[in-house]
Amino acid sequence: GGIITQTPKFLIGQEGQKLTLKCQQNFNHDTMYWYRQDSGKGLRLIYYSITENDLQKGDLSEGYDASREKKSSFSLTVTSAQKNEMAVFLCASSIGTGGVSSYEQYFGPGTRLTVL
Amino acid sequence: GEQVEQRPPHLSVREGDSAVITCTYTDPNSYYFFWYKQEPGASLQLLMKVFSSTEINEGQGFTVLLNKKDKRLSLNLTAAHPGDSAAYFCAVSVTGNTRKLIFGLGTTLQVQP
Repeated sequence: GGIITQTPKFLIGQEGQKLTLKCQQNFNHDTMYWYRQDSGKGLRLIYYSITENDLQKGDLSEGYDASREKKSSFSLTVTSAQKNEMAVFLCASSIGTGGVSSYEQYFGPGTRLTVL
Repeated sequence: GEQVEQRPPHLSVREGDSAVITCTYTDPNSYYFFWYKQEPGASLQLLMKVFSSTEINEGQGFTVLLNKKDKRLSLNLTAAHPGDSAAYFCAVSVTGNTRKLIFGLGTTLQVQP
């Protein structure tokens, strides 16, 4: 088994601030993902990475940067936090070696963002 | 691109009743389908997967059915209990070795004792 760790668990920021969220996985999975979860809007893909140093934009990449420094870690940066923004950011990973393993995603516990 | 519609958004049943959550999708070539469960304050937990080639999968207390002709995926809880109260999300693979899933908006299930 393995685990996905996200830090911090709660993040409070100010309008305009640059904020960084971190994700670590010890599954040795190839592919990692960042999603944003808003009430009533489901999960929306921000960025994903199929291997170290790779980055692929999702549907919601504007306003975010990402970095895959090594296979086990994937960071997300909110480039300029929006006032009154509240959302949960979920990190996920998948084996990514083909077939169902390329799509079967396992999720971390999430980071809850509040912008004052 | 692929679109996924999930119904109903909210569902309330009594303990012991059945509950059905349905997703419809648009891409006939979609092959992998997943159901996730999210308990309050927790993250998404993989509940079940079904392949286009198998069309049915069963777990403890629930069944996942895939109707390829109608492009419909359903999660059927046969005898709900309060521990099933959670949000449920379907997810459909995006074809072309994309490694991406499209998620439904979710169904909040409440099981009354």
